[in-house]
Amino acid sequence: DAKTTQPNSMESNEEEPVHLPCNHSTISGTDYIHWYRQLPSQGPEYVIHGLTSNVNNRMASLAIAEDRKSSTLILHRATLRDAAVYYCILRDLSSNTGKLIFGQGTTLQVKP
Amino acid sequence: DAMVIQNPRYQVTQFGKPVTLSCSQTLNHNVMYWYQQKSSQAPKLLFHYYDKDFNNEADTPDNFQSRRPNTSFCFLDIRSPGLGDAAMYLCATSRVFSAYEQYFGPGTRLTVT
Repeated sequence: DAKTTQPNSMESNEEEPVHLPCNHSTISGTDYIHWYRQLPSQGPEYVIHGLTSNVNNRMASLAIAEDRKSSTLILHRATLRDAAVYYCILRDLSSNTGKLIFGQGTTLQVKP
Repeated sequence: DAMVIQNPRYQVTQFGKPVTLSCSQTLNHNVMYWYQQKSSQAPKLLFHYYDKDFNNEADTPDNFQSRRPNTSFCFLDIRSPGLGDAAMYLCATSRVFSAYEQYFGPGTRLTVT
């Protein structure tokens, strides 16, 4: 499975947008880009995923570079509840395991 | 709400004393996963079931076993816990392997004394 690279930590102010970058230069054509986040003392939760086109859902937006070697998770208005570790994960959905391979993720701090 | 439930949330066991962690789901998903997350590390897959078919990750220690008696329940057995097995154990489910989303339980934090 292809690896991803994320900054260890980022800070944001409450109610401001947050852009969380992810590099995945060795992504293959069948890899989907997934984002999960893990709030303190909780299990990870799915945020969003995409293949080539930008994606929006109620939680966030995902911007994917044209060459797919990088992507950015966008939280439009950060709240204190968004403080979490954000994981960018590549998954080949045709695989026979479906497993998630977590990298170290980005720890997002949100300041009031 | 349909969900993934893990009991207990906190478990203390003694060095070498067998321990069982449980996971149940009301989602009726085919796949159930067990991940181990040590302090300040990312979750790491131990094994998974697709229905009754079991798949062990290559580097999962023999000390770890799993049982899935029915669709709803899955157990993680640690036969002889060592201090290095202290971790958060996360159960997750997905409808099929190719499903976009895995649903995680809140985890069981295991302490080994």
